[in-house]
Amino acid sequence: DAGVIQSPRHEVTEMGQEVTLRCKPISGHNSLFWYRQTMMRGLELLIYFNNNVPIDDSGMPEDRFSAKMPNASFSTLKIQPSEPRDSAVYFCASSSQGVATEAFFGQGTRLTVV
Amino acid sequence: GENVEQHPSTLSVQEGDSAVIKCTYSDSASNYFPWYKQELGKGPQLIIDIRSNVGEKKDQRIAVTLNKTAKHFSLHITETQPEDSAVYFCAAYSNSGYALNFGKGTSLLVTP
Repeated sequence: DAGVIQSPRHEVTEMGQEVTLRCKPISGHNSLFWYRQTMMRGLELLIYFNNNVPIDDSGMPEDRFSAKMPNASFSTLKIQPSEPRDSAVYFCASSSQGVATEAFFGQGTRLTVV
Repeated sequence: GENVEQHPSTLSVQEGDSAVIKCTYSDSASNYFPWYKQELGKGPQLIIDIRSNVGEKKDQRIAVTLNKTAKHFSLHITETQPEDSAVYFCAAYSNSGYALNFGKGTSLLVTP
């Protein structure tokens, strides 16, 4: 398996623009997580899906952030409108049995909002 | 919610020496404690984990210990090698929530 695949690897956008990050989890995994990593706050869970259903989105910063998982092999994280403080590395991870098992992380998307 | 504290934030050791990273957690219901290694430009990767019914676990040069009474757990790396240089994260999971709560990370540098 190729692992968790994220795209794009790097994204530079202007403030106010819409940004869409994409993730393909490992085939057969039923749990998917979106994390944000910054120097100040470390790794923060944004949202957790189980069997394509959002279970916990309490980490989503505000209404500008939204996430979808239309099927078991694809998820998106959208920021609209983007702001400079959204600049971070966004990771997608998947696991086979929920939170308390090994999570496999993608390579991440480095987002810069100018 | 769960709060995970990790120390030190940076650690420099000579090749062949041991490295120890310590974490504390706040939620006594926490029952799963993984450690992740993150190399530059990559996502975190699980290196070892421990559950609350076990006090210690070893895998070759790495080991993790858990003290449930004191609510702390530690990562031990013996015979360190330059390729061990990376950022290490501890994490804790409690059934009272859905999130895996991560520590802020330890940047380990192993010098030849």
